[in-house]
Amino acid sequence: AQKITQTQPGMFVQEKEAVTLDCTYDTSDPSYGLFWYKQPSSGEMIFLIYQGSYDQQNATEGRYSLNFQKARKSANLVISASQLGDSAMYFCAMKGRYTNAGKSTFGDGTTLTVKP
Amino acid sequence: DTEVTQTPKHLVMGMTNKKSLKCEQHMGHRAMYWYKQKAKKPPELMFVYSYEKLSINESVPSRFSPECPNSSLLNLHLHALQPEDSALYLCASSPGGYSGANVLTFGAGSRLTVL
Repeated sequence: AQKITQTQPGMFVQEKEAVTLDCTYDTSDPSYGLFWYKQPSSGEMIFLIYQGSYDQQNATEGRYSLNFQKARKSANLVISASQLGDSAMYFCAMKGRYTNAGKSTFGDGTTLTVKP
Repeated sequence: DTEVTQTPKHLVMGMTNKKSLKCEQHMGHRAMYWYKQKAKKPPELMFVYSYEKLSINESVPSRFSPECPNSSLLNLHLHALQPEDSALYLCASSPGGYSGANVLTFGAGSRLTVL
């Protein structure tokens, strides 16, 4: 079975500051992918960043970086220089190559509020 | 512009109505998905079509009926829904296959209210 745990239901950050959103996972699959999605109040889920289980380097995409610690089974999202438009719900997800019939497993999400 | 287009954006229907949600993608993706999402909750998988064949049905009630006419289109037919079916319905697509690297590309969603 696969499981994603996001322990922060809500987070606040000051504009222009950095923020870390926590994600831990559990899987028996030796090959898997980890994803972060952003969902603004409009509803659309937007893909932010991907990390493969065999990737040696942490993934980065602009202001987003993924702090991947395989031994600790954690995949935290770091947003640098927060902007008001970053206020949204953020979901961590994973997808195994061999288990769970290729379905994505989502965490419960973290609501991020950026304060001016 | 989103690469997965969902229509309608909003739908209000009575419990005896029949309606359909539509989803279209032109990215050449071979897997398409329907998710149901309640407020402040993660999306719940309903159906997966892989190479135009239904590959996953997450024990969804028969009042929801999916259809995949071709590799670009995905429909969700709705009939005799209940008020608890009110939710945001998200369509997504991915390149296909069981790679762990398949990113889901979501549409903007159809917000359904059942009266």
